[in-house]
Amino acid sequence: DGGITQSPKYLFRKEGQNVTLSCEQNLNHDAMYWYRQDPGQGLRLIYYSQIVNDFQKGDIAEGYSVSREKKESFPLTVTSAQKNPTAFYLCASSTLPRRTGFYGYTFGSGTRLTVV
Amino acid sequence: AQSVTQLGSHVSVSEGALVLLRCNYSSSVPPYLFWYVQYPNQGLQLLLKYTSAATLVKGINGFEAEFKKSETSFHLTKPSAHMSDAAEYFCAVSLTTDSWGKLQFGAGTQVVVTP
Repeated sequence: DGGITQSPKYLFRKEGQNVTLSCEQNLNHDAMYWYRQDPGQGLRLIYYSQIVNDFQKGDIAEGYSVSREKKESFPLTVTSAQKNPTAFYLCASSTLPRRTGFYGYTFGSGTRLTVV
Repeated sequence: AQSVTQLGSHVSVSEGALVLLRCNYSSSVPPYLFWYVQYPNQGLQLLLKYTSAATLVKGINGFEAEFKKSETSFHLTKPSAHMSDAAEYFCAVSLTTDSWGKLQFGAGTQVVVTP
């Protein structure tokens, strides 16, 4: 079955550490997205990518970095510069309207990151 | 630009009663509209979508939504609530002219179902 896989499900980070969250999709989607979710704050866009080797900052990109070396993969690194990284992180993917029509996003099951 | 407003961050409904979640959007061009559901510690799951076909859209789990252009609304309903409907619900909008298809999400509505 096609889908989008995030790993790990739970992640613990010590102060000053960088950690990388994995996101892989086998839906042949062009676009991929990273969101941060905090209680009562909805979804906030961190980074998004439309094509391999290209990505754009979202609303809260500071302290985060991404790469898109393969169409299927869009890992997110939470750097030590992110002062409050404890949150639920969601990865999503979608088709591009101009190519195949638009049907919304498919989401992964999320990674819960906690600073210890 | 587009935006979406969900009225009510928390809704409590009795089991068997009507579920009504309100969503109003702002869009300069015809929109695509979506409702997603999120259970605790899970990702978002698509409930239904409006992409300029029928204005009454039926989704999974007995939910439906009606696109009303004159009211710029896309309210979500279910005739009879079930305990399993307890979750957070997100409305989202995208512009039909957007080559990206980027979604703008509402703040979410937490639904509690009481016995």
